[in-house]
Amino acid sequence: QKEVEQDPGPLSVPEGAIVSLNCTYSNSAFQYFMWYRQYSRKGPELLMYTYSSGNKEDGRFTAQVDKSSKYISLFIRDSQPSDSATYLCAMSGFLSGSARQLTFGSGTQLTVLP
Amino acid sequence: EADIYQTPRYLVIGTGKKITLECSQTMGHDKMYWYQQDPGMELHLIHYSYGVNSTEKGDLSSESTVSRIRTEHFPLTLESARPSHTSQYLCASSDSSGGSDTQYFGPGTRLTVL
Repeated sequence: QKEVEQDPGPLSVPEGAIVSLNCTYSNSAFQYFMWYRQYSRKGPELLMYTYSSGNKEDGRFTAQVDKSSKYISLFIRDSQPSDSATYLCAMSGFLSGSARQLTFGSGTQLTVLP
Repeated sequence: EADIYQTPRYLVIGTGKKITLECSQTMGHDKMYWYQQDPGMELHLIHYSYGVNSTEKGDLSSESTVSRIRTEHFPLTLESARPSHTSQYLCASSDSSGGSDTQYFGPGTRLTVL
């Protein structure tokens, strides 16, 4: 079983829809939770990061973490065609020498139709 | 926007050639990472470094090697490329001073070995 599970999609929604992207995880030692957006043939771009449980909002994006359920979500309000990308969840534990290792989900491919 | 650069962006090369993928960052980050990503698959950590003259292997076995002689530079070398090395290689860096070790990614090098 993978440490991080993410529904690969693909997910297709009309412009203006609310999008919900989710990941579940099994390692209770994860402390930092991130969402990255990756456009085709580009490197991942950090969207949001949260520490421990709770919500964090940034414009049209809201990240939600529920550590008791080992479940994280990213909500996109008023989705736009420019939001079409692959969204990766990532979580961090520890490597040697205090470098934190990110464990990634496999990504959800989102298409927002105009 | 993160200042992390990778060259070349695309490389097509024959079996048996030695190649070096370049990664540089101008943010003064102490930690750097190399990931491998196949299409539609999750990122896998192959190497990381938490400072000059430190390198470690990641959780995905790789025949590549890395060096960290300068803070800003983290090249990856394949002594003898094979078709199985065909993949996208992503470099990232992070700053441990803020606590989150949020990783910022370069645009990637797409390697094809014929």
